Amino acid sequence: DAKTTQPTSMDCAEGRAANLPCNHSTISGNEYVYWYRQIHSQGPQYIIHGLKNNETNEMASLIITEDRKSSTLILPHATLRDTAVYYCIVRPGAGKSTFGDGTTLTVKP
Amino acid sequence: NAGVTQTPKFQVLKTGQSMTLQCAQDMNHNSMYWYRQDPGMGLRLIYYSASEGTTDKGEVPNGYNVSRLNKREFSLRLESAAPSQTSVYFCASSEAWRTSTDTQYFGPGTRLTVL
Repeated sequence: DAKTTQPTSMDCAEGRAANLPCNHSTISGNEYVYWYRQIHSQGPQYIIHGLKNNETNEMASLIITEDRKSSTLILPHATLRDTAVYYCIVRPGAGKSTFGDGTTLTVKP
Repeated sequence: NAGVTQTPKFQVLKTGQSMTLQCAQDMNHNSMYWYRQDPGMGLRLIYYSASEGTTDKGEVPNGYNVSRLNKREFSLRLESAAPSQTSVYFCASSEAWRTSTDTQYFGPGTRLTVL
């Protein structure tokens, strides 16, 4: 399974865009990049996923580099409620997802 | 539509006691999962059930057993609890584990302390 590397923590000012990077240099051609977040020990919540094209939904945007070795999750206007641990996961075809330690995003007033 | 529900929310056990964590989903999903999360750590997969009638080990299965009771329910049993099993346990479900675009939906968790 492809391994992901994320920074341990990041800060962002409220109202600004939060850009969370993820490296997945060993990703295979058919593996999707998934992002989840976990707010204060609640169950993880799905945010977005993509294969090679950029994706956007009501929560966030996902930018995947052309070589697919890295991606960035963008929260366009971060709020205090976006403070959470964000997990970047490379989804193997067999269904088992490996969650690393993620990035702790702190949105500050 | 409740999604994924877990019972109990909290539990304290003594070393050697047994208990079963219950999980149910109402999304008609085929696949279900049990994870544990230790303080400050990411989630680790204990067991999963790709479909009704099947179960498989994940990363950390030792000390646990599971039962896929029917399509809706997936239980996790600790036969003889140990302090190392103190953790938060999350259940998740997804439509079909074989597909690369399979999104998992998580329950609220069970906080277990073993003394």
